Amino acid sequence: EVQLWESGGAFVQPGGSLRLSCAASGFAFRNYAMTWVRQPPGKGLEWVSSIGPKSLATYYADSVKGRCTVSRDDSKNTFYMDLSSLRDDDTAVYYCARASSLVGSTPTYFFDYWGQGNLVTVAS
Amino acid sequence: DIQMTQSPSSLSASVGDRLTISCRASQSVTNFLNWYQQKPGKAPRLLIYSATTLQSGVPSRFSGSGSGTDFILTINSLQPEDFATYYCQQNADIPLTFGGGTKVEIK
Repeated sequence: EVQLWESGGAFVQPGGSLRLSCAASGFAFRNYAMTWVRQPPGKGLEWVSSIGPKSLATYYADSVKGRCTVSRDDSKNTFYMDLSSLRDDDTAVYYCARASSLVGSTPTYFFDYWGQGNLVTVAS
Repeated sequence: DIQMTQSPSSLSASVGDRLTISCRASQSVTNFLNWYQQKPGKAPRLLIYSATTLQSGVPSRFSGSGSGTDFILTINSLQPEDFATYYCQQNADIPLTFGGGTKVEIK
């Protein structure tokens, strides 16, 4: 059974930073891209970042570019997102998801398994 | 960026109804279009990928159609567990983008 479990959500002051982690099990983690998607309270879904297999490629939304770094440790079946210079509009539930693509190594990702979500609140 | 527009943003329906939700892309995404269901307080669930392919374990009353810029999610014979918010997502190009969602409520 595929399982994804996020951790690291917290209450953070504006300008601060955090690291979110996503531990995976039940599939060949090293062969899959992984993704973060966020959802501000009461709002819709926003893709944030993705990392391809073997960390060969990373992709970021403009809203976090320059403030965000995704990485993975295939030996631990875990991937991470470091987000800095946090702003009020970064407040959201952050979901990790497995990203699948039917077109080789291109980032044509859809998200077939999701974690339970982790709330990040940015406020003073 | 490819903008995804869903309509309607909300609708009321009854158990047993057939309903359709529309998703329009600002430019062609060919068939790189996916649908998700989300219930309150829960993570989204993939329903359909590549516009028409039903994800494993999803009931056959869900179906997807369309290509290019216009797509439809159809739910035949709405069940009580189908009341939720539905999102489309394009995966043709980075940034990956979602529609604004369609909330399906009980009439």
